[in-house]
Amino acid sequence: DIQMTQSPSSLSASVGDRVTITCRASQGISNYLAWFQQKPGKAPKSLIYAASSLKSGVPSKFSGSGSGTDFTLTISSLQPEDFATYYCQHYSSYPRTFGQGTKVEIK
Amino acid sequence: EVQLVESGGGLVKPGGSLRLSCAASRFTFSSAWMSWVRQAPGKGLEWVGHIKSKSEGGTTEYAAPVKGRFTISRDDSKNTLYLQMNSLKTEDTAVYYCTTESHYSGWEWGQGTLVTVSS
Repeated sequence: DIQMTQSPSSLSASVGDRVTITCRASQGISNYLAWFQQKPGKAPKSLIYAASSLKSGVPSKFSGSGSGTDFTLTISSLQPEDFATYYCQHYSSYPRTFGQGTKVEIK
Repeated sequence: EVQLVESGGGLVKPGGSLRLSCAASRFTFSSAWMSWVRQAPGKGLEWVGHIKSKSEGGTTEYAAPVKGRFTISRDDSKNTLYLQMNSLKTEDTAVYYCTTESHYSGWEWGQGTLVTVSS
């Protein structure tokens, strides 16, 4: 199975900060990677697919990059509504697996 | 806007069975690859399994913890995805989400349905 490791597990940031979350796959997955945002008590929401494609309706402050084993999700200017937990997931093979999540909190 | 609505969750005893449904609308369900994802209380997301569209074989894949106990199926005439869960264990307690999966347009998620396995 492919393991997905996110870093950091949590971070504290201020409104307006640029935030970067990293996701590393235990083997190459090309660009078969998605990013999701989840707020407490809510269903996850899709942000990025195919490593760098922005889901329709998602603000352009979110961006994804990477290929192979190393990927990043960047929030260009953190806003109050962005405080949430973020997950990566590969879909290059079975089983699909998620990273453990990165909780973004207010500093 | 795509809509996915899960139902069928509830309280069940260990060893029991439950069938979840996911009603889909506002997209071409028959062409979609569909998945189930779960989240145990206070934990992260866990992929449960997946079914391809019938035109691509309609095959299913499962995560190891549920393989042999859970079965995913679809009824394209009803735009509905199912998850049949048998031999339930306490560790299956979670919110269960149905999702689309597309490398070309991203994922859509339902609101989830809670399954509690307890005696």
